[in-house]
Amino acid sequence: GAGVSQSPSNKVTEKGKDVELRCDPISGHTALYWYRQSLGQGLEFLIYFQGNSAPDKSGLPSDRFSAERTGGSVSTLTIQRTQQEDSAVYLCASSLRGLDYGYTFGSGTRLTVV
Amino acid sequence: AQKVTQAQTEISVVEKEDVTLDCVYETRDTTYYLFWYKQPPSGELVFLIRRNSFDEQNEISGRYSWNFQKSTSSFNFTITASQVVDSAVYFCALSEGGNTDKLIFGTGTRLQVFP
Repeated sequence: GAGVSQSPSNKVTEKGKDVELRCDPISGHTALYWYRQSLGQGLEFLIYFQGNSAPDKSGLPSDRFSAERTGGSVSTLTIQRTQQEDSAVYLCASSLRGLDYGYTFGSGTRLTVV
Repeated sequence: AQKVTQAQTEISVVEKEDVTLDCVYETRDTTYYLFWYKQPPSGELVFLIRRNSFDEQNEISGRYSWNFQKSTSSFNFTITASQVVDSAVYFCALSEGGNTDKLIFGTGTRLQVFP
């Protein structure tokens, strides 16, 4: 597609439930990133995929968070046993090759845990 | 450790005023990149500029200009003759060293331009 697509745009879930957030990057972009934006905060890095290399998971806040990228394209961020502090906007970005070409961000998924 | 500070939480101006958004960074890397992104109310971050650490030339793009000063570790962003459509949250970001291409973001500055 023309841009980075994220779904759903909004998700309300009950505490303790698992959620899956999807990111469809720009076709051909080899790098994919997940960031989290909490209210009034900057963007917090979560995970980075680059081609076939092992992902950089250093930003994942706990083992309840995981992500995968299938076929070098679509990525899914999974949060297990959601907690209220997981409420945030989850942003996905892709780029042609790391920072050389900047990122293109999606519109995000607003997750609310009640 | 890398860090980006945007001390201005919120700025309000009247249309046609000039406004400067401050960004101060900390890094031990000799090679790094600095970025500015705009986040309008729609939520999608829009890339504005990338500057590498070896290029201290100021840049102008229409009403936007950027002042990069390594001596003060600052990368400030000025909007000339602001317009209502400039209202957004603006983020400054710094690339982290190594191959991971992570960006370290500041907390953002909310700019409100009133007619």
